[in-house]
Amino acid sequence: AQKITQTQPGMFVQEKEAVTLDCTYDTSDPSYGLFWYKQPSSGEMIFLIYQGSYDQQNATEGRYSLNFQKARKSANLVISASQLGDSAMYFCAMSFGGATNKLIFGTGTLLAVQP
Amino acid sequence: DTEVTQTPKHLVMGMTNKKSLKCEQHMGHRAMYWYKQKAKKPPELMFVYSYEKLSINESVPSRFSPECPNSSLLNLHLHALQPEDSALYLCASSQGEDVYNEQFFGPGTRLTVL
Repeated sequence: AQKITQTQPGMFVQEKEAVTLDCTYDTSDPSYGLFWYKQPSSGEMIFLIYQGSYDQQNATEGRYSLNFQKARKSANLVISASQLGDSAMYFCAMSFGGATNKLIFGTGTLLAVQP
Repeated sequence: DTEVTQTPKHLVMGMTNKKSLKCEQHMGHRAMYWYKQKAKKPPELMFVYSYEKLSINESVPSRFSPECPNSSLLNLHLHALQPEDSALYLCASSQGEDVYNEQFFGPGTRLTVL
């Protein structure tokens, strides 16, 4: 069965510093996608970054990068130069199911950026 | 237009009421989704529509009835709900239906069942 694990319920980071949010996954499917979403207190799920299971290089989107270690089944999110607006819940998610896009989420990490 | 919209933002209903949630996207996406998110929990998939046809129902009770009238619109009809159905209901869409497509979410509807 597919599973996503986020072991950090909450984290603090100082403004302008980098922070790493951990995510491990488990699947026997060879084809899958890994995603990170940000959910502010308003509730909207904001897509941040994506990594496909066959991608050789780590994905980057602005201040976000995904540290993909396939052998270790980890997909950690790195946020560089944290900003106060980065304070939110962060969910790691995995898509699986071949031709049908089923998405499962980890339990989330609540990030607080301190001035 | 890279937006998924949902109406209403908030909904309060009694257990005997019938109401509907609406989701709309104009990105030409061919797959649309309903998720349910309880407080302090991750979203859970309810339904998947692909090319306007229901492709996945995650064993959702029949008091929730999805409908996809066209490729841009997704509805969720609610009838005889229970207080435990109170949650944030999120709609999402993706360009394609395979695992390599990111899903874009709407702002959600916060539902309270009295």
